[in-house]
Amino acid sequence: AQKVTQAQTEISVVEKEDVTLDCVYETRDTTYYLFWYKQPPSGELVFLIRRNSFDEQNEISGRYSWNFQKSTSSFNFTITASQVVDSAVYFCALSEASRGTDKLIFGTGTRLQVFP
Amino acid sequence: EPEVTQTPSHQVTQMGQEVILRCVPISNHLYFYWYRQILGQKVEFLVSFYNNEISEKSEIFDDQFSVERPDGSNFTLKIRSTKLEDSAMYFCASRGDIGVETQYFGPGTRLLVL
Repeated sequence: AQKVTQAQTEISVVEKEDVTLDCVYETRDTTYYLFWYKQPPSGELVFLIRRNSFDEQNEISGRYSWNFQKSTSSFNFTITASQVVDSAVYFCALSEASRGTDKLIFGTGTRLQVFP
Repeated sequence: EPEVTQTPSHQVTQMGQEVILRCVPISNHLYFYWYRQILGQKVEFLVSFYNNEISEKSEIFDDQFSVERPDGSNFTLKIRSTKLEDSAMYFCASRGDIGVETQYFGPGTRLLVL
């Protein structure tokens, strides 16, 4: 069965700390996509990154980096030198593209609070 | 940059009333979706729509729900007879053609059923 687990419900850090948000997924598909979305207090869902199952290369974008490891079915997200504006709920999501379905299966989210 | 828009941003309705939530997907996108998020919970898939028909729907999407693309730009979600438990944030999303797998979300409509 498809499932996304974000075990960390809430994380609090002080500005400039590094923080890692964990995501573990379950799927029987060999072709799938993983996503991270950010939901700031205003409520919208902002796309951050997509990885496909064939590309395990880690990615860095500014202060954000992602570590995709198929061996542990994990797709973790690290924010370096966190800022107050990073405060949001972060959702990891899975899409099993090869089953003729493209719905996103979301985790329960991790609320990140960055204090000044 | 193109974006998905949704109207209204907030809607308050009485139980049993019909509501229509509206979305304008990104203009060259072909696949459309509705998701909902009950307050404080995760985002849940409702329905996907392609080529003027429903591609997939979840268990939540029962006979009280319907979707329509009445013209070339709008995509609507209708709830025929709202229940208290329909109170949630409803998100519309769209994506481009095959091989473009990212779904882009609108800002959401917060629905409150009293």
